[in-house]
Amino acid sequence: NAGVTQTPKFRVLKTGQSMTLLCAQDMNHEYMYWYRQDPGMGLRLIHYSVGEGTTAKGEVPDGYNVSRLKKQNFLLGLESAAPSQTSVYFCASSYGLAVLAKNIQYFGAGTRLSVL
Amino acid sequence: LAKTTQPVSMDSYEGQEVNITCSHNNIATNDYITWYQQFPSQGPRFIIQGYKTKVTNEVASLFIPADRKSSTLSLPRVSLSDTAVYYCLVGVSGNTPLVFGKGTRLSVIA
Repeated sequence: NAGVTQTPKFRVLKTGQSMTLLCAQDMNHEYMYWYRQDPGMGLRLIHYSVGEGTTAKGEVPDGYNVSRLKKQNFLLGLESAAPSQTSVYFCASSYGLAVLAKNIQYFGAGTRLSVL
Repeated sequence: LAKTTQPVSMDSYEGQEVNITCSHNNIATNDYITWYQQFPSQGPRFIIQGYKTKVTNEVASLFIPADRKSSTLSLPRVSLSDTAVYYCLVGVSGNTPLVFGKGTRLSVIA
């Protein structure tokens, strides 16, 4: 059981470069999320999606874009990377409105991104 | 969204029972209380969820008083491998994602 898979695991970018982080889940979850976590901090929600083709902004959306073209995939894009975006990025998924599951989130292993 | 307050950090010796309390004074009627655990360099993982009274699983117990304005995560006989950050979240399944605070950093000492 793969669960939630994030690629790549590590990446180093130069300021101004662009990249896309991929999140894939095989649990048929409706909801997917992108978080960032800075040293000593909790998780902050960047964007989330409540279904295929839909996305919404979280707490810290500036500088990021997302797409959910397929139910199992959620992409996070950085169009012009900045040093302030150096962080660990986590993707998560959940059943969403399924009452029995109570919206429990399942997380990937994270992507460590450094922007120089 | 119900705001939660939990201690920033706690220390414990191996073999002790650890109780982490989370305050959520404005919890709504339909809100569930969920706890996650995050080890260093890993994503958070679900450990327990409850609505009222007591819930127990193979990892922890969750105590929720009748007024539901707080909850206590209990970890029996902790070991070094329980060193992690523990997050308390309050909310319901629905369109609004739950908010992770900074959590409680538990350090277990030999």
